[in-house]
Formats: sequence, structure tokens, C-alpha cells
Amino acid sequence: KQEVTQIPAALSVPEGENLVLNCSFTDSAIYNLQWFRQDPGKGLTSLLLIQSSQREQTSGRLNASLDKSSGRSTLYIAASQPGDSATYLCAVFRDDKIIFGKGTRLHILP
Amino acid sequence: GAVVSQHPSWVICKSGTSVKIECRSLDFQATTMFWYRQFPKQSLMLMATSNEGSKATYEQGVEKDKFLINHASLTLSTLTVTSAHPEDSSFYICSALGQVKVLAKNIQYFGAGTRLSVL
Repeated sequence: KQEVTQIPAALSVPEGENLVLNCSFTDSAIYNLQWFRQDPGKGLTSLLLIQSSQREQTSGRLNASLDKSSGRSTLYIAASQPGDSATYLCAVFRDDKIIFGKGTRLHILP
Repeated sequence: GAVVSQHPSWVICKSGTSVKIECRSLDFQATTMFWYRQFPKQSLMLMATSNEGSKATYEQGVEKDKFLINHASLTLSTLTVTSAHPEDSSFYICSALGQVKVLAKNIQYFGAGTRLSVL
């Protein structure tokens, strides 16, 4: 059974710092891995999608990596800003099922 | 824990017919539910936000007359794909916002998804 774990559950860092969010999954047979952002009371916003054949994707200040063999993905946020404060979710997709981690709640201190 | 039931899990229909997908929060009330769609090899994308007793808010590019959303009660939201065509074939997933009182915050709970195949 696929399980997705995100560490840490919560993180507070001063503005301007670079940070890394971690996601691990137990079954490496995945189609893709996705990172989302969730603001309070809002739906998910897709950030990055990494296909199973890819190792990383970049969008602006965000970089996500995927290591299927070790069952790990990281989301790197450069030069963090207060507007980055949100909950970040990773999810793996396989066999018409998408399984989410519980998220990392990020707070950027002004 | 909170559970969101989505039904059906898989549906095949002929082009031109309408398909209804149900999303139920089983042990909590959800004033807000979300509908997402995922095409093959693409990310899950938000389609609309459904609020109980009011009209749904659709994301840009999503046709509200094509994807009818009804949130008639605090535990049920439905998505109806009207006059479905092969290009509507996709994976649809719903989620519901439930309040965890002890944490004084809302958590989003996801259904298992519906695979729609339009022939």
C-alpha cells in the first residue's frame, strides 16, 4: 500500500532564506509526483509535476526533484517571501489513484 | 477520521450523454467542496469551488454550463458532465473542507476519484 510522508509537518523561517521540503513514498512504481500549494480555505494550486521518467522540474523560485529508487522528492524554495506562506502538499499518482501526503505548513517570517 | 466518498469510481458513457458524479462527506459537514480534473500526464487542476447553498465558483477556462455543480446540502456535492465528449475523458476528484475543532483549522479531505471514459 502506497504511503506518502512529508517532513517536516510545519516550518517557520525568516524571509529570504532558502528552504527544502521533503516528501517520501513507499512504492516507487508511480506515474508521476506532484507538488501543490494550499492556502487556507482554498483549493489546491498545482506547482510542479514530475513525470516518473524525469528527475527534476523548475518553475521560477521553485525546484522539485524526484528520486524514484529511494522514494523521495524534495521541493526547494529559493529566497523565500512572506507570500510563500501556505501548506505544501506532495502527491503521487498511479493506477488512477492519487495519494497525498499530509502536507508541510510553511510560515515565512517578515 | 473524516471520510469523503466519491461515486462512481469508474464510468463509461457514450458521447452526448450526461454523467453525474457524487461527492459525500460521510462523518462531517463540509460547507466547501472542491472539484479537480487530471488529464493523462498532467497535474491535478482545480476546476471549481462549491459552496453549500450558493453557486459554484469556476476556474478560468472551465465551462460552467458543461460542468454543472450542485452543492445542495452540507454533505453532498455533485458534478454533472453534460453532453460528454471524448475530450472530457479524464480523472475527476473531489475534496471537502472539514473543520478539525481541536486544531482550530480546516483540513481538506479527498475522495478516491472517478475515471470517466467517453466513447
